[in-house]
Amino acid sequence: DAKTTQPNSMESNEEEPVHLPCNHSTISGTDYIHWYRQLPSQGPEYVIHGLTSNVNNRMASLAIAEDRKSSTLILHRATLRDAAVYYCIPLTGNQFYFGTGTSLTVIP
Amino acid sequence: DSGVTQTPKHLITATGQRVTLRCSPRSGDLSVYWYQQSLDQGLQFLIQYYNGEERAKGNILERFSAQQFPDLHSELNLSSLELGDSALYFCASSVADGHYGYTFGSGTRLTVV
Repeated sequence: DAKTTQPNSMESNEEEPVHLPCNHSTISGTDYIHWYRQLPSQGPEYVIHGLTSNVNNRMASLAIAEDRKSSTLILHRATLRDAAVYYCIPLTGNQFYFGTGTSLTVIP
Repeated sequence: DSGVTQTPKHLITATGQRVTLRCSPRSGDLSVYWYQQSLDQGLQFLIQYYNGEERAKGNILERFSAQQFPDLHSELNLSSLELGDSALYFCASSVADGHYGYTFGSGTRLTVV
C-alpha cells in the first residue's frame, strides 16, 4: 500500500481558503488519489478523487503534483461545517486503507 | 441520508457474548466493506464482499465473520466479545471496485461491558 503523510492538525479562519497537503511518494502510476472527510460522530464522506490532472467539484478542488508524489485538497471558503478529519488515500486494489488524517479546525 | 443503512445504531452487550451488525448497501451497489474505528486504532479495514463472494480480508479477527446475502445486504458477526472490541463499526458500499469511491453508513456503536 502506498504510504501517506499528512499534518496531524490544521487551523483555518472561517471563509478563508484552506490547503490540506498530502505526501504519497510511494504511489504507483495507476493509483487514484482519493480524499475523504469524517465529521464528528459520522461515517467518512467522499470528497474528491483524481489521477493526474487537477480536479474540481462542488465540495473542493484537488491539485496533484506533476510527479504524483503529493497532492493538495483545496477548500475554497472554509465554513464551520468543514471542521472534520480529512484523509488522503491512494486507492490500491479495491480497498481504502485510512491513515490518521488531518484534523481541520475552523475558527469563526 | 447516504443510502447505506446500518442497524442497530447502538449496541451494548457483555463480554463473551455474540452480536450481529447489519448493513444494507446503497441501491445498485454490489460491494460491501466493513471497517472498525476505535480511539487508538483509527479506521481499520476488516473485509470486503462483492456480489455475495468474499473479495478481500483486512485486519479481521478470527472471532469475527461476515457474509453478504443474495439481496446484497451484509451482516458482520462478532463473537466471544472482549472489552477491546468496543468501537464504531462502519459499513460502506460501492458499485464495484471502489474506483469512484465508497458511500459509508452512519455506523453502529458497539459497547462491550
